[in-house]
Amino acid sequence: NAGVMQNPRHLVRRRGQEARLRCSPMKGHSHVYWYRQLPEEGLKFMVYLQKENIIDESGMPKERFSAEFPKEGPSILRIQQVVRGDSAAYFCASSPPGTGVSTDTQYFGPGTRLTVL
Amino acid sequence: AQSVTQPDIHITVSEGASLELRCNYSYGATPYLFWYVQSPGQGLQLLLKYFSGDTLVQGIKGFEAEFKRSQSSFNLRKPSVHWSDAAEYFCAVGGGSYIPTFGRGTSLIVHP
Repeated sequence: NAGVMQNPRHLVRRRGQEARLRCSPMKGHSHVYWYRQLPEEGLKFMVYLQKENIIDESGMPKERFSAEFPKEGPSILRIQQVVRGDSAAYFCASSPPGTGVSTDTQYFGPGTRLTVL
Repeated sequence: AQSVTQPDIHITVSEGASLELRCNYSYGATPYLFWYVQSPGQGLQLLLKYFSGDTLVQGIKGFEAEFKRSQSSFNLRKPSVHWSDAAEYFCAVGGGSYIPTFGRGTSLIVHP
């Protein structure tokens, strides 16, 4: 059973370009979470999705950021018109259907390191 | 709202010495607590978790953690540290319908 997969592992963009980060959850997992990790900081929750639904996007910046988890295919985190402050590691995690989002163990992918020039 | 504090940003220990990483949480009911480890350039790996029952939890790689309700703490311990334990350690708290909240992490440095 493959783990959570993220690609690309490293992504370089110039200011103003778009960044698309992909996450394939573990088989059988229906919950996907995106986190951002800035240098010298912990993980900051961004968004929680289930298939075709955004459940909680309270941690997502209101502009330029969007996320989806379609019925088929990976979850996508999209950042439009990137700025230098978007440079960070973006982690995806998945969890199986369970008793609740706060109790299910989250399994993390290796992350995508975004660098904005 | 729930929160997690990891008061130590960096911890330095000698190989073979014992280790304790501190984690304090704030949550109104019985929390669900996790410790994760992140090696350089990698994602987070679950070390152990506490949901209920025995307050001393055993995890992988020889780690254990003790839930102390009276102190709102969930400290991570290891009796003898190996050089390969050098990494970033994250404590997280969940409960109810809230998505787990992560602490800012503690960086462990191991001296030979």
